[in-house]
Amino acid sequence: GAVVSQHPSRVICKSGTSVKIECRSLDFQATTMFWYRQFPKQSLMLMATSNEGSKATYEQGVEKDKFLINHASLTLSTLTVTSAHPEDSSFYICSGEGGNPADTQYFGPGTRLTVL
Amino acid sequence: GQNIDQPTEMTATEGAIVQINCTYQTSGFNGLFWYQQHAGEAPTFLSYNVLDGLEEKGRFSSFLSRSKGYSYLLLKELQMKDSASYLCAVRDHGYGQNFVFGPGTRLSVLP
Repeated sequence: GAVVSQHPSRVICKSGTSVKIECRSLDFQATTMFWYRQFPKQSLMLMATSNEGSKATYEQGVEKDKFLINHASLTLSTLTVTSAHPEDSSFYICSGEGGNPADTQYFGPGTRLTVL
Repeated sequence: GQNIDQPTEMTATEGAIVQINCTYQTSGFNGLFWYQQHAGEAPTFLSYNVLDGLEEKGRFSSFLSRSKGYSYLLLKELQMKDSASYLCAVRDHGYGQNFVFGPGTRLSVLP
């Protein structure tokens, strides 16, 4: 299957700082990328959907000014958590798909964010 | 809106067969996916159904009935490494073709 990478895999930061997470599709062009958040023992919660070159579409309840998403190319999307707080601590997972309706989403390995 | 239900937890014995059910309600069904997720890791794709019937892939099979809004994932010859969460996800026309994930079923395989 297709490969998606995320960097960093784990980050610990102080409250009030900003953290950038990169998501790359390594062997396919991801026309759409998704960002999810997952709290312990819970399922994936979609945060936003982004298409290359356009603004991201955020799910209800997700602050677009706090979670900045940039999808600059068909292989790269970034999520920046601005002014992070302890309640933002979570497992952040990105995924990409190639645009074919039969395509599954290919998930990155996830980023564990801990805000102190 | 969308609603996807799965049992929260299941337990089975090594070598046995287990069936994980998923029921869904969507406004524009366009495919159902099953994923496996080990603790602390990202989900990995297992199967895809868009038409009614059974799709078999090795020890894993997935079934879909669109009229009933029902799917199941069947795991045969269970191994200890199959202990994981299993996520049912539905692609929804009415949701911008996005995926809606169920709550996941945590499967524990016992020796």
